Amino acid sequence: QKEVEQDPGPLSVPEGAIVSLNCTYSNSAFQYFMWYRQYSRKGPELLMYTYSSGNKEDGRFTAQVDKSSKYISLFIRDSQPSDSATYLCAMVPNDYKLSFGAGTTVTVRA
Amino acid sequence: NAGVTQTPKFQVLKTGQSMTLQCAQDMNHEYMSWYRQDPGMGLRLIHYSVGAGITDQGEVPNGYNVSRSTTEDFPLRLLSAAPSQTSVYFCASSYSPGAGEKLFFGSGTQLSVL
Repeated sequence: QKEVEQDPGPLSVPEGAIVSLNCTYSNSAFQYFMWYRQYSRKGPELLMYTYSSGNKEDGRFTAQVDKSSKYISLFIRDSQPSDSATYLCAMVPNDYKLSFGAGTTVTVRA
Repeated sequence: NAGVTQTPKFQVLKTGQSMTLQCAQDMNHEYMSWYRQDPGMGLRLIHYSVGAGITDQGEVPNGYNVSRSTTEDFPLRLLSAAPSQTSVYFCASSYSPGAGEKLFFGSGTQLSVL
């Protein structure tokens, strides 16, 4: 069983819809939780990160962590065609070995 | 601002050939790493380094070698290429990923082994 599970999708939504992305994990040592966005043929870029349970907002993006359930989420409000990308969750314990989810490919239709 | 620079962008090898993927960063990051990305598998850590002269294995190190002689450079060597090494390779650097600091990724190298 992989340490981080993420539904690869693909996910297709109309413009303006709310996008909901999720990851589950098994390693209770994970302390930092991140979401990376990757456009086609590009390297991933950090979108959001958090280290505690609860919600964190940044514009149209909300990251949610539930450590008791080992579950993290990313919500994108008022989705735009420019949000079309692959979204990868990532987690790290207190060392250097990040674990990534498989990535969910999102398409926002104009 | 160059960030993380990877070369080459594309490479085709024959089985058994060796090659080196280059990675350089200009942000004075102590931490550098190599990932491979395969469909449905996400990013998997190959090797990483926490400073010049210090390297360690990640999740999938077999068939790859690394060295870190300077802070800026972290090349990845394929010793004897195999079709299973066909993948997209990303180099990434950070101040301190263990403290939640973000990784800066290069633009990737698409490698095909025939």
